[in-house]
Amino acid sequence: AQTVTQSQPEMSVQEAETVTLSCTYDTSESDYYLFWYKQPPSRQMILVIRQEAYKQQNATENRFSVNFQKAAKSFSLKISDSQLGDAAMYFCAYRSASGGGATNKLIFGTGTLLAVQP
Amino acid sequence: GAVVSQHPSWVICKSGTSVKIECRSLDFQATTMFWYRQFPKQSLMLMATSNEGSKATYEQGVEKDKFLINHASLTLSTLTVTSAHPEDSSFYICSATVPGLAKNIQYFGAGTRLSVL
Repeated sequence: AQTVTQSQPEMSVQEAETVTLSCTYDTSESDYYLFWYKQPPSRQMILVIRQEAYKQQNATENRFSVNFQKAAKSFSLKISDSQLGDAAMYFCAYRSASGGGATNKLIFGTGTLLAVQP
Repeated sequence: GAVVSQHPSWVICKSGTSVKIECRSLDFQATTMFWYRQFPKQSLMLMATSNEGSKATYEQGVEKDKFLINHASLTLSTLTVTSAHPEDSSFYICSATVPGLAKNIQYFGAGTRLSVL
């Protein structure tokens, strides 16, 4: 069975600084997807960034980028130029690509609560 | 992006009553929807996978008779908490998979806070 581990329950960053959130996962599959979701105090889950395992290039979305190390099964999220609105719980998630992927469930880590200091 | 609407956002009910939560995909057809439960400061726990026109697939440990899921159309899935008790109080979230090129992405509803008195 696949597992996702986030070893940092809480992190803090100064506004405008950079922070990296860690995520490791365990799987025997070769084809899968990885995601970072953000859950602000409103509790609405928001997709931050996604990575296809078959792509070597790290995904980027504006101030958000990932460091995907497939051999090490590591998938960290870097937030540059942190803003107050980035304060939220961040979840790393894994999804198998087997069978097309559409019906496959997301496996979540335990989350990292990010605080942004003004 | 795709929009998933969840209703109600907050419901308070008496112990022993049943509560229905709706999850709608507003601008796409969702053959598969997912229902999660989240306790305070914890991660999302998948309860069941809802497939249009067929029975839901429940995760181990989730009571099928307690949490009834119906996915009668391509845009609507419902979760009914039957004979709710205080221990069922939680935050329930649905999500849906967008078909096509983005089929690996799940979009989430805003969640429903259930409080059972």
